[in-house]
Amino acid sequence: NAGVTQTPKFQVLKTGQSMTLQCAQDMNHEYMSWYRQDPGMGLRLIHYSVGAGITDQGEVPNGYNVSRSTTEDFPLRLLSAAPSQTSVYFCASSDPQGYYGYTFGSGTRLTVV
Amino acid sequence: SQELEQSPQSLIVQEGKNLTINCTSSKTLYGLYWYKQKYGEGLIFLMMLQKGGEEKSHEKITAKLDEKKQQSSLHITASQPSHAGIYLCGADQGSSASKIIFGSGTRLSIRP
Repeated sequence: NAGVTQTPKFQVLKTGQSMTLQCAQDMNHEYMSWYRQDPGMGLRLIHYSVGAGITDQGEVPNGYNVSRSTTEDFPLRLLSAAPSQTSVYFCASSDPQGYYGYTFGSGTRLTVV
Repeated sequence: SQELEQSPQSLIVQEGKNLTINCTSSKTLYGLYWYKQKYGEGLIFLMMLQKGGEEKSHEKITAKLDEKKQQSSLHITASQPSHAGIYLCGADQGSSASKIIFGSGTRLSIRP
């Protein structure tokens, strides 16, 4: 049972480059979310989705795009990377009731130089 | 928007001692989640509280939600080195679990 799989685990980008962080879950969860974690700031919600074809903005959506074409996948796109986007990114998924909490991936550590 | 404040920000405890971490919300909590994160790793779900006055336990960790549903506490009894890590509380932004925001976390270290 893989749970939530994030790729890549590490990435270095140059300012202005674009890239996609991949997230896939095999638990048939309807809800999926992307967070970034910066030192001393906990987790901040970037975008979230309540089902295929439905996405919405979280607390810090600027500079990121998402789409949800299938239940399993929820990729996060950085349009034009900036040093301020250096962070650890986590993808998570949950069933609608949330009784068992969100299942988190192991994270992608992104550095923008 | 709802804000979650955790206290303390960091904590160093002698092994075997008890400790408490608090999470206070600016609005009524519909659902309150506690997670643990080991340094450099992903988050592990501990427990979820929904009802005012609710209390749940898992091994030596007990979480409570106050009657007014604006404050939660996480209590660890007889702390062990395995309890070290970052503890985060998260809250539903509405009546479903679609949008969860988190507090800034409490960094717990256990001194042998």
